[in-house]
Amino acid sequence: GAVVSQHPSWVICKSGTSVKIECRSLDFQATTMFWYRQFPKQSLMLMATSNEGSKATYEQGVEKDKFLINHASLTLSTLTVTSAHPEDSSFYICSATPGLAVYNEQFFGPGTRLTVL
Amino acid sequence: AQTVTQSQPEMSVQEAETVTLSCTYDTSESDYYLFWYKQPPSRQMILVIRQEAYKQQNATENRFSVNFQKAAKSFSLKISDSQLGDAAMYFCAYRSAEEYGNKLVFGAGTILRVKS
Repeated sequence: GAVVSQHPSWVICKSGTSVKIECRSLDFQATTMFWYRQFPKQSLMLMATSNEGSKATYEQGVEKDKFLINHASLTLSTLTVTSAHPEDSSFYICSATPGLAVYNEQFFGPGTRLTVL
Repeated sequence: AQTVTQSQPEMSVQEAETVTLSCTYDTSESDYYLFWYKQPPSRQMILVIRQEAYKQQNATENRFSVNFQKAAKSFSLKISDSQLGDAAMYFCAYRSAEEYGNKLVFGAGTILRVKS
């Protein structure tokens, strides 16, 4: 099956610093990638949708200047949390889908746990 | 906008028994996909089963089956012969087949505990 990786799997940073999380599709070209945020025992909240070579589409309430998303190639999308604060601590999950067909499945990465001190 | 509702925050089942997780959804679309995802303690999302709305036949995958009632907008998951490895959080999800973008709309999730 298709594999999506995330790096790092966990990161601890100081308040005010920026953190970059990578999402890679290892064996397929991902036309679209999604970024989710998940708090403990809660559902996944979609933050943004990114298409290769174009600007990400952010969900309502998500600060685009805070959460910078870049989808520079068909196998890599990055999420940068700028000037991170303790309230940004969360579990971030990416997913990727190949092609443009509506029936294409989303494949999920293993997630990145961010802790901001 | 579509919504997905999972009304059972937690469920418990005895090993080897059967359990049913409930899911209802709201949509005005006629063409869509429904999914059940499993998220074990590792937090890796795993696709359990998928149903296309245009198919009347309920999807099955080994011990997992669904009861899809399109008119009632209901999509329950039945797990037969429950195993300890089935313990996880289960999410019901909806995806439109009428618009490009492939966004998944998730329910709040149900924590399934399996007792030995």
